[in-house]
Amino acid sequence: QQQVKQSPQSLIVQKGGIPIINCAYENTAFDYFPWYQQFPGKGPALLIAIRPDVSEKKEGRFTISFNKSAKQFSLHIMDSQPGDSATYFCAPRGDFGNEKLTFGTGTRLTIIP
Amino acid sequence: ETGVTQTPRHLVMGMTNKKSLKCEQHLGHNAMYWYKQSAKKPLELMFVYSLEERVENNSVPSRFSPECPNSSHLFLHLHTLQPEDSALYLCASSQDFGNEPQYFGPGTRLLVL
Repeated sequence: QQQVKQSPQSLIVQKGGIPIINCAYENTAFDYFPWYQQFPGKGPALLIAIRPDVSEKKEGRFTISFNKSAKQFSLHIMDSQPGDSATYFCAPRGDFGNEKLTFGTGTRLTIIP
Repeated sequence: ETGVTQTPRHLVMGMTNKKSLKCEQHLGHNAMYWYKQSAKKPLELMFVYSLEERVENNSVPSRFSPECPNSSHLFLHLHTLQPEDSALYLCASSQDFGNEPQYFGPGTRLLVL
């Protein structure tokens, strides 16, 4: 059973556009919703995360939108730049012992100049 | 830098060799993780240690053997691997096990011949 579904698998956006990456989950015990960014040859790095007490969080050009009833959260990148080209993973979490640790399948984002 | 280091960065080994991967975190975290990342596959959690005790083992073949001598160090001992074990092996740590951000090392790129 796939607990986390991430889409799209790949995305190409022109510079300045707003790529949107989605993550759907099944486990209602999740209460921490992060996005990780991974550049080639590097490990993933935490980009932005949200807790379920708010529906949106913005940090710089990155925004998470959270829809608890739909069990979905998404990443928006405003004014995207070629340097944002990377693979993005969602990885919702719950309390210790409540769930299996699961990452989304990843979205390979390419920003073209 | 994320504060998580991994050595070696690259490793080529034959199927009859024995080698070890090393991970060290300088963040004072209590939980450490081993992940396998293969092309076109989601990140696969292999092992989790919390306060030096193994808390999760996701049906990993016995040719992979983890060791956590203290909360700052994590090893992955490899023996009689198969070519399909070739992948990027990532170590991560978090303050505690559960709904916390994870900090990843740069990974060890393993090639099994």
